[in-house]
Amino acid sequence: KNEVEQSPQNLTAQEGEFITINCSYSVGISALHWLQQHPGGGIVSLFMLSSGKKKHGRLIATINIQEKHSSLHITASHPRDSAVYICAVTEMNYGGSQGNLIFGKGTKLSVKP
Amino acid sequence: GAGVSQSPSNKVTEKGKDVELRCDPISGHTALYWYRQSLGQGLEFLIYFQGNSAPDKSGLPSDRFSAERTGGSVSTLTIQRTQQEDSAVYLCASSARTGTGNEKLFFGSGTQLSVL
Repeated sequence: KNEVEQSPQNLTAQEGEFITINCSYSVGISALHWLQQHPGGGIVSLFMLSSGKKKHGRLIATINIQEKHSSLHITASHPRDSAVYICAVTEMNYGGSQGNLIFGKGTKLSVKP
Repeated sequence: GAGVSQSPSNKVTEKGKDVELRCDPISGHTALYWYRQSLGQGLEFLIYFQGNSAPDKSGLPSDRFSAERTGGSVSTLTIQRTQQEDSAVYLCASSARTGTGNEKLFFGSGTQLSVL
């Protein structure tokens, strides 16, 4: 069974700090998603990646397929970045559908002004 | 509409009653997913529809749960004889193309279900 582990579980930062959230998984995947969930529940997909690196504004996501590890970086953090960040993977499972996402438990980020 | 629409946004029901939750995906999206998020828990996969293929129901927790997707668009998740442990936020998402896991997901705002 694929386990998706995120670290840290909770993170408090000062405005302007560089933030890194990590995600590790145990078996082969076809894609990895980073999601953002704000208080109140709305979920936004930030990135979907299967190799390399993607950047959107102050957010950067990287993945190392060999090491089964991904990181989400936030540069120049701001209080509005406060949210839960969730890593999810789609297993490279030839026996089943590829719609079954496996989620990490999330990292709760609080950015203080 | 522009995004994934779910209704109702909140549903309070009594134990033992049936409930129906609706999801209207983004127009043209062939893949539709249902997830559940219980209080203090992570997201949990329930069911996945892709085009005209048979749905992947492997995440449904019991036979009280069922879902259908009519005309390849709107989906309804039905929970029969609700139990208190069914209380959760039920989230729907859709994606374009083949739903291989390589497409960005678009989430609805969820239905908060409370079973008293």
